[in-house]
Amino acid sequence: AQSVTQPDIHITVSEGASLELRCNYSYGATPYLFWYVQSPGQGLQLLLKYFSGDTLVQGIKGFEAEFKRSQSSFNLRKPSVHWSDAAEYFCAVGAVGTNAGKSTFGDGTTLTVKP
Amino acid sequence: NAGVTQTPKFRILKIGQSMTLQCTQDMNHNYMYWYRQDPGMGLKLIYYSVGAGITDKGEVPNGYNVSRSTTEDFPLRLELAAPSQTSVYFCASATDRPNTEAFFGQGTRLTVV
Repeated sequence: AQSVTQPDIHITVSEGASLELRCNYSYGATPYLFWYVQSPGQGLQLLLKYFSGDTLVQGIKGFEAEFKRSQSSFNLRKPSVHWSDAAEYFCAVGAVGTNAGKSTFGDGTTLTVKP
Repeated sequence: NAGVTQTPKFRILKIGQSMTLQCTQDMNHNYMYWYRQDPGMGLKLIYYSVGAGITDKGEVPNGYNVSRSTTEDFPLRLELAAPSQTSVYFCASATDRPNTEAFFGQGTRLTVV
């Protein structure tokens, strides 16, 4: 069975500092990986996705993620955090060749940004 | 650009009451999904549909029912509300093309008292 672990429940960073959110997955085949962001009172918005090719993926809002098969990880990074990045972030894994709807989601990481 | 629209945004139900959460999408997506999100948890799939007239259970279907009479609409029915169904409910849709993402509605916050 596929699973996703986001080890950090809550992270606080200062505005302008760099950010890395961790995601580890368990999947028996080639994974299809996503990061979604959920702002307060909003639905989930896709930040980026990976299913093949270059293991460093660029997304919206200046985010990037790196797929490391050997570590079963897909960590999300941003070089300089803005106050508007405060939100909840979800990593998800699905099957390559399908759409994301039946993906397995992690429990999320809440990001707080200090001024 | 409406995307996925859910109504209502908030609702308080008494134990044993029934209600329907509405979801409609205007992207002509074949796939639609209902999730629940409990505090501190990720999304759990309740039901999904791969097209009009076709529905299937997800991970946590007990206490819920769905129907899909049109491509656009995918309502979720709670028949006998219980406190355990207090949650935030998200509807999502996706194309049937591979390696595509799901698009989410803004959610319905339901409290059962």
